[in-house]
Amino acid sequence: NAGVTQTPKFRVLKTGQSMTLLCAQDMNHEYMYWYRQDPGMGLRLIHYSVGEGTTAKGEVPDGYNVSRLKKQNFLLGLESAAPSQTSVYFCASRGSGRYTDTQYFGPGTRLTVL
Amino acid sequence: KQEVTQIPAALSVPEGENLVLNCSFTDSAIYNLQWFRQDPGKGLTSLLLIQSSQREQTSGRLNASLDKSSGRSTLYIAASQPGDSATYLCAVPWANYGGSQGNLIFGKGTKLSVKP
Repeated sequence: NAGVTQTPKFRVLKTGQSMTLLCAQDMNHEYMYWYRQDPGMGLRLIHYSVGEGTTAKGEVPDGYNVSRLKKQNFLLGLESAAPSQTSVYFCASRGSGRYTDTQYFGPGTRLTVL
Repeated sequence: KQEVTQIPAALSVPEGENLVLNCSFTDSAIYNLQWFRQDPGKGLTSLLLIQSSQREQTSGRLNASLDKSSGRSTLYIAASQPGDSATYLCAVPWANYGGSQGNLIFGKGTKLSVKP
Protein backbone atom coordinates (compact mmCIF):
# COMPACT_ATOMS: atom_id res chain seq x y z
CA ASN A 1 0.00 0.00 0.00
CA ALA A 2 1.86 3.09 -1.24
CA GLY A 3 -0.68 5.64 0.09
CA VAL A 4 -0.27 9.00 -1.64
CA THR A 5 2.59 9.44 -4.08
CA GLN A 6 3.73 12.56 -5.94
CA THR A 7 5.77 12.94 -9.12
CA PRO A 8 8.27 14.54 -9.50
CA LYS A 9 9.99 15.16 -6.16
CA PHE A 10 12.00 18.15 -7.38
CA ARG A 11 11.77 20.41 -10.42
CA VAL A 12 13.38 23.62 -11.61
CA LEU A 13 11.55 25.68 -14.22
CA LYS A 14 12.25 28.90 -16.05
CA THR A 15 9.65 31.66 -16.01
CA GLY A 16 7.00 30.98 -18.62
CA GLN A 17 7.53 27.22 -18.83
CA SER A 18 4.72 24.78 -18.12
CA MET A 19 4.60 21.56 -16.16
CA THR A 20 2.22 19.07 -14.58
CA LEU A 21 2.48 17.60 -11.10
CA LEU A 22 0.97 14.16 -10.64
CA CYS A 23 -0.65 12.87 -7.47
CA ALA A 24 -1.75 9.26 -7.15
CA GLN A 25 -3.50 7.46 -4.29
CA ASP A 26 -4.27 3.78 -3.89
CA MET A 27 -6.79 4.04 -1.03
CA ASN A 28 -9.89 4.49 -3.22
CA HIS A 29 -10.45 7.93 -1.69
CA GLU A 30 -13.11 10.25 -3.09
CA TYR A 31 -11.57 13.55 -1.99
CA MET A 32 -8.23 14.88 -3.17
CA TYR A 33 -6.48 18.19 -2.48
CA TRP A 34 -3.54 20.27 -3.65
CA TYR A 35 -1.81 22.56 -1.13
CA ARG A 36 1.23 24.78 -1.33
CA GLN A 37 3.52 25.45 1.62
CA ASP A 38 5.51 28.66 1.85
CA PRO A 39 7.69 30.00 4.68
CA GLY A 40 5.69 32.32 6.90
CA MET A 41 2.44 31.51 5.09
CA GLY A 42 1.81 27.93 6.13
CA LEU A 43 -0.18 25.51 4.00
CA ARG A 44 -2.84 26.92 1.70
CA LEU A 45 -5.38 25.08 -0.42
CA ILE A 46 -5.01 25.53 -4.19
CA HIS A 47 -7.70 23.26 -5.69
CA TYR A 48 -9.62 20.23 -4.58
CA SER A 49 -11.82 17.46 -5.95
CA VAL A 50 -14.78 15.69 -4.35
CA GLY A 51 -14.80 12.84 -6.85
CA GLU A 52 -13.79 11.65 -10.29
CA GLY A 53 -14.48 14.29 -12.93
CA THR A 54 -14.96 17.14 -10.41
CA THR A 55 -12.69 20.02 -9.41
CA ALA A 56 -13.14 23.20 -7.38
CA LYS A 57 -11.09 26.24 -6.40
CA GLY A 58 -9.46 26.66 -3.05
CA GLU A 59 -7.90 29.70 -1.42
CA VAL A 60 -5.11 30.38 -3.95
CA PRO A 61 -6.16 28.95 -7.37
CA ASP A 62 -4.78 31.64 -9.71
CA GLY A 63 -2.14 30.39 -12.14
CA TYR A 64 -3.03 26.72 -11.64
CA ASN A 65 -5.35 24.25 -13.31
CA VAL A 66 -6.33 20.76 -12.21
CA SER A 67 -7.92 17.64 -13.60
CA ARG A 68 -9.33 14.46 -12.06
CA LEU A 69 -9.98 12.15 -14.99
CA LYS A 70 -9.39 9.03 -12.92
CA LYS A 71 -10.40 8.56 -9.30
CA GLN A 72 -6.90 7.66 -8.21
CA ASN A 73 -5.11 10.59 -9.91
CA PHE A 74 -5.21 14.35 -9.37
CA LEU A 75 -3.09 16.51 -11.67
CA LEU A 76 -1.92 20.06 -10.96
CA GLY A 77 -0.84 22.11 -13.97
CA LEU A 78 1.12 25.33 -14.26
CA GLU A 79 0.57 26.79 -17.73
CA SER A 80 3.08 29.64 -17.48
CA ALA A 81 5.24 29.39 -14.38
CA ALA A 82 6.12 32.49 -12.38
CA PRO A 83 8.72 32.96 -9.62
CA SER A 84 5.84 33.47 -7.16
CA GLN A 85 4.96 29.81 -7.72
CA THR A 86 8.22 28.66 -6.18
CA SER A 87 6.99 26.52 -3.31
CA VAL A 88 6.57 23.03 -1.94
CA TYR A 89 3.41 21.39 -3.25
CA PHE A 90 1.57 18.73 -1.29
CA CYS A 91 -1.23 16.47 -2.40
CA ALA A 92 -3.63 14.89 0.08
CA SER A 93 -6.61 12.56 -0.01
CA ARG A 94 -9.37 11.35 2.30
CA GLY A 95 -12.31 8.99 2.20
CA SER A 96 -15.98 9.97 2.13
CA GLY A 97 -17.52 7.65 4.67
CA ARG A 98 -18.31 8.38 8.30
CA TYR A 99 -15.24 8.85 10.51
CA THR A 100 -12.96 9.18 7.48
CA ASP A 101 -11.99 12.80 8.01
CA THR A 102 -8.27 12.13 8.31
CA GLN A 103 -6.26 13.49 5.38
CA TYR A 104 -3.29 11.53 4.08
CA PHE A 105 -0.47 13.56 2.56
CA GLY A 106 2.08 12.80 -0.10
CA PRO A 107 5.82 13.52 0.34
CA GLY A 108 5.70 16.80 -1.59
CA THR A 109 7.18 18.31 -4.75
CA ARG A 110 9.73 21.08 -4.35
CA LEU A 111 9.38 23.48 -7.29
CA THR A 112 11.72 26.34 -8.07
CA VAL A 113 10.86 28.86 -10.79
CA LEU A 114 13.79 30.99 -11.95
CA LYS B 1 -12.38 34.80 8.26
CA GLN B 2 -11.07 31.80 10.17
CA GLU B 3 -7.60 32.24 11.58
CA VAL B 4 -5.62 29.43 13.18
CA THR B 5 -2.76 30.43 15.45
CA GLN B 6 -0.12 28.26 17.05
CA ILE B 7 1.95 29.37 20.00
CA PRO B 8 4.86 29.12 20.49
CA ALA B 9 6.38 29.16 17.00
CA ALA B 10 9.37 27.22 18.32
CA LEU B 11 10.10 25.25 21.47
CA SER B 12 13.23 23.56 22.77
CA VAL B 13 13.04 21.16 25.72
CA PRO B 14 15.28 18.55 27.36
CA GLU B 15 14.50 14.91 26.83
CA GLY B 16 11.94 13.48 29.25
CA GLU B 17 10.02 16.68 29.77
CA ASN B 18 6.22 16.81 29.39
CA LEU B 19 5.11 19.62 27.09
CA VAL B 20 2.04 21.35 25.71
CA LEU B 21 1.56 22.84 22.27
CA ASN B 22 -1.25 25.33 21.75
CA CYS B 23 -3.62 25.96 18.86
CA SER B 24 -6.36 28.58 18.75
CA PHE B 25 -9.01 29.34 16.13
CA THR B 26 -11.27 32.37 15.76
CA ASP B 27 -14.51 30.76 14.55
CA SER B 28 -16.00 27.78 16.40
CA ALA B 29 -17.97 26.53 13.35
CA ILE B 30 -15.61 23.63 12.74
CA TYR B 31 -16.25 19.96 12.05
CA ASN B 32 -13.13 18.69 13.78
CA LEU B 33 -9.57 19.64 14.64
CA GLN B 34 -6.57 17.74 13.36
CA TRP B 35 -2.99 17.62 14.59
CA PHE B 36 -0.22 16.73 12.14
CA ARG B 37 3.50 16.16 12.39
CA GLN B 38 5.93 17.26 9.69
CA ASP B 39 9.56 16.17 9.60
CA PRO B 40 12.06 18.33 7.66
CA GLY B 41 11.66 17.86 3.90
CA LYS B 42 8.77 15.45 4.36
CA GLY B 43 5.00 15.41 4.05
CA LEU B 44 2.49 15.66 6.87
CA THR B 45 1.52 12.72 9.06
CA SER B 46 -1.80 12.74 10.89
CA LEU B 47 -1.43 12.35 14.65
CA LEU B 48 -4.85 12.90 16.15
CA LEU B 49 -8.28 14.01 14.98
CA ILE B 50 -10.87 15.31 17.42
CA GLN B 51 -14.46 15.51 16.22
CA SER B 52 -16.29 18.72 17.17
CA SER B 53 -18.46 16.75 19.63
CA GLN B 54 -15.45 15.30 21.43
CA ARG B 55 -13.30 16.81 24.18
CA GLU B 56 -10.11 14.82 23.74
CA GLN B 57 -8.30 12.05 21.92
CA THR B 58 -5.31 9.98 22.99
CA SER B 59 -2.71 8.04 21.08
CA GLY B 60 0.23 6.64 23.02
CA ARG B 61 2.14 9.53 24.62
CA LEU B 62 -0.01 12.09 22.82
CA ASN B 63 -3.20 13.63 24.13
CA ALA B 64 -5.15 16.31 22.32
CA SER B 65 -7.98 18.32 23.81
CA LEU B 66 -10.57 20.55 22.19
CA ASP B 67 -12.61 23.39 23.69
CA LYS B 68 -14.75 24.62 20.82
CA SER B 69 -16.45 27.36 22.79
CA SER B 70 -13.16 29.04 23.67
CA GLY B 71 -11.54 28.27 20.32
CA ARG B 72 -8.63 26.31 21.74
CA SER B 73 -6.90 23.00 21.41
CA THR B 74 -3.82 21.63 23.12
CA LEU B 75 -1.49 18.81 22.20
CA TYR B 76 0.15 17.24 25.24
CA ILE B 77 3.29 15.16 24.70
CA ALA B 78 4.38 13.06 27.66
CA ALA B 79 7.98 12.08 28.37
CA SER B 80 9.37 13.75 25.24
CA GLN B 81 12.07 12.01 23.20
CA PRO B 82 14.57 13.31 20.60
CA GLY B 83 12.52 11.44 17.98
CA ASP B 84 9.62 13.80 18.73
CA SER B 85 11.58 16.66 17.17
CA ALA B 86 9.51 17.96 14.26
CA THR B 87 7.05 20.69 13.33
CA TYR B 88 3.54 20.17 14.68
CA LEU B 89 0.61 21.67 12.79
CA CYS B 90 -3.03 21.98 13.69
CA ALA B 91 -5.79 22.39 11.12
CA VAL B 92 -9.55 22.83 11.05
CA PRO B 93 -12.25 22.31 8.41
CA TRP B 94 -14.29 25.49 8.69
CA ALA B 95 -18.01 25.37 7.93
CA ASN B 96 -17.85 28.63 5.95
CA TYR B 97 -15.01 27.47 3.71
CA GLY B 98 -15.85 24.05 2.32
CA GLY B 99 -15.32 22.40 5.67
CA SER B 100 -17.91 19.75 4.88
CA GLN B 101 -15.67 18.77 1.96
CA GLY B 102 -12.62 18.57 4.17
CA ASN B 103 -10.94 21.82 3.14
CA LEU B 104 -8.45 22.50 5.92
CA ILE B 105 -7.18 25.80 7.30
CA PHE B 106 -3.77 25.33 8.86
CA GLY B 107 -1.83 27.06 11.59
CA LYS B 108 1.80 27.90 10.84
CA GLY B 109 3.09 25.25 13.21
CA THR B 110 5.27 24.87 16.28
CA LYS B 111 8.82 23.67 15.65
CA LEU B 112 9.77 21.35 18.49
CA SER B 113 13.32 20.38 19.35
CA VAL B 114 13.92 17.77 22.06
CA LYS B 115 17.54 17.75 23.26
CA PRO B 116 19.14 14.49 24.45
